[in-house]
Amino acid sequence: KQEVTQIPAALSVPEGENLVLNCSFTDSAIYNLQWFRQDPGKGLTSLLLIQSSQREQTSGRLNASLDKSSGRSTLYIAASQPGDSATYLCAPPSGAGSYQLTFGKGTKLSVIP
Amino acid sequence: NAGVTQTPKFQVLKTGQSMTLQCAQDMNHEYMSWYRQDPGMGLRLIHYSVGAGITDQGEVPNGYNVSRSTTEDFPLRLLSAAPSQTSVYFCASSNPPGQGVGSPLHFGNGTRLTVT
Repeated sequence: KQEVTQIPAALSVPEGENLVLNCSFTDSAIYNLQWFRQDPGKGLTSLLLIQSSQREQTSGRLNASLDKSSGRSTLYIAASQPGDSATYLCAPPSGAGSYQLTFGKGTKLSVIP
Repeated sequence: NAGVTQTPKFQVLKTGQSMTLQCAQDMNHEYMSWYRQDPGMGLRLIHYSVGAGITDQGEVPNGYNVSRSTTEDFPLRLLSAAPSQTSVYFCASSNPPGQGVGSPLHFGNGTRLTVT
């Protein structure tokens, strides 16, 4: 069974800092991994989808990497802004070829102006 | 383009009542799923469907039924509501993975359900 751990559970940083959110997973027989953002009272928004062949994916100030062999993914946020404040969730598939995703409990980020 | 639409946004039920949470998507996605989100538990999969007429159970299916008669709609039925079903429910959809390549999962805004 896929298990996902996200560290830290919460993070508070001053505006402008670069930061890294960590995700580890137990079943490395996956083809991709997604990172999501959730604002309070809202649904989840897909930020980045990394295919295992890519190892890294970028969108604006966000960069996500995937290392299947070590069961780890990181989300790097450059030059953080107050609007980045949200909960970030990591979600690998539940197993090889699976549609289903297993979600971590998320990292709650607060960016202080 | 509406994406994934969930109704209602809020609902209060009494123990034993039944209801249906509605989910519709306009992206012609084959895969649809229902999750519940509880504090400290994260998101857990209830049921999913890989196409019209095909459904299967997820991690926490007890107390819930689903059906998929069209590509667009995937309703979730609570048969006899219990306080343990108090949660936020999310519907999500995506294209199927092709040859190991994943597809982004699109979420609705959720239904906040309270069972008293």
